[in-house]
Amino acid sequence: GAGVSQSPRYKVAKRGQDVALRCDPISGHVSLFWYQQALGQGPEFLTYFQNEAQLDKSGLPSDRFFAERPEGSVSTLKIQRTQQEDSAVYLCASSLVRAGNWYQETQYFGPGTRLLVL
Amino acid sequence: KNQVEQSPQSLIILEGKNCTLQCNYTVSPFSNLRWYKQDTGRGPVSLTIMTFSENTKSNGRYTATLDADTKQSSLHITASQLSDSASYICVVRGRGSTLGRLYFGRGTQLTVWP
Repeated sequence: GAGVSQSPRYKVAKRGQDVALRCDPISGHVSLFWYQQALGQGPEFLTYFQNEAQLDKSGLPSDRFFAERPEGSVSTLKIQRTQQEDSAVYLCASSLVRAGNWYQETQYFGPGTRLLVL
Repeated sequence: KNQVEQSPQSLIILEGKNCTLQCNYTVSPFSNLRWYKQDTGRGPVSLTIMTFSENTKSNGRYTATLDADTKQSSLHITASQLSDSASYICVVRGRGSTLGRLYFGRGTQLTVWP
C-alpha cells in the first residue's frame, strides 16, 4: 500500500489482558514513531526507531509498554496487563529521513488503532 | 506542562467564511513548526511547515504565519468548505536533545456548517 497501515483498527481488551498493535510503515522509510492520543487531546510521543534501533523510548508511560522493530520495517507496540487509562488511539508514523535531516522531514501517519480497555 | 497551546478549543463557522486558528509554544530550542489536519478516525496530515526564518507560508486556502520572537503561529483558512471540518493540530519540533520528538498541541476542532 501507499501509506502507513495499522492493525487492528479497533481493539477491546479486558483489564489485565495483553495487547499487540501492529504498524506497517511506508516501504523504505527509515524512521518510525509511536504516539498515544487520548480523547480530545493531541498525540503524545511514545517512542522512536531508526531502522531496527530504538533511539528514544522516553515517552513510554510505564514498563508495561514495549515496542520493537526487529527487521527495521514492521513495528509492534505491546501493552502488558492493560489498564483503563491505556484506552486511547495509538498512532504510528514513519518518515523517510534519518536523524540529522529533520528540516524537511515529514511524518506520515497511519489511521491509528483505537484501544478500549474495559 | 504542555509546551504547545492552541486556541480556540473548538470553532463553528458557516461555509464560505474565513477563520484563524492560534498556536503559542514554549518549545526551545525550536526547529520548525507544522500545522496538521486530522479528520475524524484518521491520522494527522501535514499542511504546512515553517522554520524560524519564515514568516508566512501558503498551501491553497491555508495560510500559516509564524512569529518566532513571540513564539506564536496562526493558521488562516479562506473561503471555508464543508471538507475543512476537522481537528487542526499545531506541532513543534525541538532541536538538540529532543531530536526526533514532536510536541503536539491539543488541536482546534473546526466545524463548517452549510
